[in-house]
Amino acid sequence: AQSVTQLDSQVPVFEEAPVELRCNYSSSVSVYLFWYVQYPNQGLQLLLKYLSGSTLVKGINGFEAEFNKSQTSFHLRKPSVHISDTAEYFCAASYNNNDMRFGAGTRLTVKP
Amino acid sequence: DTEVTQTPKHLVMGMTNKKSLKCEQHMGHRAMYWYKQKAKKPPELMFVYSYEKLSINESVPSRFSPECPNSSLLNLHLHALQPEDSALYLCASSQALAGNEQFFGPGTRLTVL
Repeated sequence: AQSVTQLDSQVPVFEEAPVELRCNYSSSVSVYLFWYVQYPNQGLQLLLKYLSGSTLVKGINGFEAEFNKSQTSFHLRKPSVHISDTAEYFCAASYNNNDMRFGAGTRLTVKP
Repeated sequence: DTEVTQTPKHLVMGMTNKKSLKCEQHMGHRAMYWYKQKAKKPPELMFVYSYEKLSINESVPSRFSPECPNSSLLNLHLHALQPEDSALYLCASSQALAGNEQFFGPGTRLTVL
């Protein structure tokens, strides 16, 4: 079965430090990849998506992710985080239908 | 308008009550979704409607009954729920093609007493 794995359940970092949130997905001929952010008591907001083309994808709020087909990874990065980036981050994959599979989530906590 | 709206924001109901959750979008999306999200967990897909027809039902108990009256509206009818059904219920919409991002509403926080 197709699945998405987020390798870290919690990532604590200090403000202005770089961060990487890791995500691996089940390999498939056709896969579309997404990163969403969820702030407390809110819905999910799209940060970025990979459909095809350039493997480096830039998103909102200074985030970017790199699609790596050989390692079946789609890690999310930000060079310098802010307190306001504290949230839950979900990696998701869609395989040729409207069924989106979410990873378990990574709780990013940015400390002053 | 790039917003998905959900009402009510909060709902408290007893196990014998009947209530409905509502979701609306005006982005011309033809796929709409219901998800259930428990605390500190990812969203779990419940139902998918594509062109107003139910296309995916993830073996959800019959006490949850979805309805898609038109391309902009999605309802979730609730009856005889259990306390373990307490959760955040999220609605989303997307273009009805694979690979399209889903736009999420803010959710309805449901508490079953």
